[in-house]
Amino acid sequence: QQQVKQSPQSLIVQKGGISIINCAYENTAFDYFPWYQQFPGKGPALLIAIRPDVSEKKEGRFTISFNKSAKQFSLHIMDSQPGDSATYFCAASITAGNMLTFGGGTRLMVKP
Amino acid sequence: DADVTQTPRNRITKTGKRIMLECSQTKGHDRMYWYRQDPGLGLQLIYYSFDVKDINKGEISDGYSVSRQAQAKFSLSLESAIPNQTALYFCATSDSRTGFEQFFGPGTRLTVL
Repeated sequence: QQQVKQSPQSLIVQKGGISIINCAYENTAFDYFPWYQQFPGKGPALLIAIRPDVSEKKEGRFTISFNKSAKQFSLHIMDSQPGDSATYFCAASITAGNMLTFGGGTRLMVKP
Repeated sequence: DADVTQTPRNRITKTGKRIMLECSQTKGHDRMYWYRQDPGLGLQLIYYSFDVKDINKGEISDGYSVSRQAQAKFSLSLESAIPNQTALYFCATSDSRTGFEQFFGPGTRLTVL
């Protein structure tokens, strides 16, 4: 069973639009929530991460929104660009264990 | 990331064969991981090692074994490959001193016929 559920599986957005990817988790012990970005032929790379003591974290065009009570977090990509086309994975971890549990991934395509 | 290398990058093998995938890192990290990636299932942890003498099973360890030959090397073996082990395999590393970011290798695409 997946402890971290990610949606949608695929997403097509026009250049300049907002891409939104959602994740929901079950384990309330999770206290670290990263997003990884993977380009074709490459391994995933950390994009941005949040801890549950804040509701939002922004880095450039990328924002994580976190809702602890709903056990949900999401990635927003503002002004989406064709170069953002990649697969995005949300993940969750318990700090003490340092083991990442990944969502199923979202393949994002940004059309020019 | 060139600091984490995996060999081979692609491998086609037959059912029942023994296969070894190798991972090396120059990052000086103490922790290493093996993941399997299947479409729609994300990355699933196979095995992980927090130091040379520490080996732990992950979510899907059945049919796999690992060896941590040195701090920089972590290999994954499929003792008797089966078709449903066809997948993309990633090695990753992290540093227990500096945080939780995991650094992934470029992956090995394994096909079992």
